[in-house]
Amino acid sequence: GAGVSQSPSNKVTEKGKDVELRCDPISGHTALYWYRQSLGQGLEFLIYFQGNSAPDKSGLPSDRFSAERTGGSVSTLTIQRTQQEDSAVYLCASSLARARGLGREQFFGPGTRLTVL
Amino acid sequence: GNSVTQMEGPVTLSEEAFLTINCTYTATGYPSLFWYVQYPGEGLQLLLKATKADDKGSNKGFEATYRKETTSFHLEKGSVQVSDSAVYFCALPISSGSARQLTFGSGTQLTVLP
Repeated sequence: GAGVSQSPSNKVTEKGKDVELRCDPISGHTALYWYRQSLGQGLEFLIYFQGNSAPDKSGLPSDRFSAERTGGSVSTLTIQRTQQEDSAVYLCASSLARARGLGREQFFGPGTRLTVL
Repeated sequence: GNSVTQMEGPVTLSEEAFLTINCTYTATGYPSLFWYVQYPGEGLQLLLKATKADDKGSNKGFEATYRKETTSFHLEKGSVQVSDSAVYFCALPISSGSARQLTFGSGTQLTVLP
């Protein structure tokens, strides 16, 4: 079956512009995660959605970052007024999530490489 | 929260050499531990995992044992191949409660030469 897909694969934008990154999780996966992979910071957790619960936004670096998940499936990560330090690869992952699923594997998408000029 | 410290690279080995990539963690309780791999141009993939102390995860000839005494989860392979060239990440849940989001090590770039 299809894995996690992300679009676009590459995005180049000018400083100050807004960008939207899209993630399509694996069908049936109720948990969805956004991570950021950058040279200086490694892999960082950004935000986590689980079903209809309020998302865990504790990893978002500033209020310029927001994300939503419509209908419990597709998610969009929005970065407003982009800055050069936002340049990174943005990774989306999804997993099955059950009450005792702490060891549940996360499946990652190929990522969106964002370059802010 | 939990954290992980991973051996920094890059690591360059000849084909058929023995590989060890060190990973130590700090955590409350005994969370699951993971190794992820990122091949060139591809996304992260789960390589192996261990869900409790003394468990050994294994896959594709790689092994890692969950050792609570030394708080370690070192990745090993007896004979590496050129196709193992990739970046390897050690990871665990960000906290030992109900959290599922992961915290990752800094990654170790492995290059295997023919």
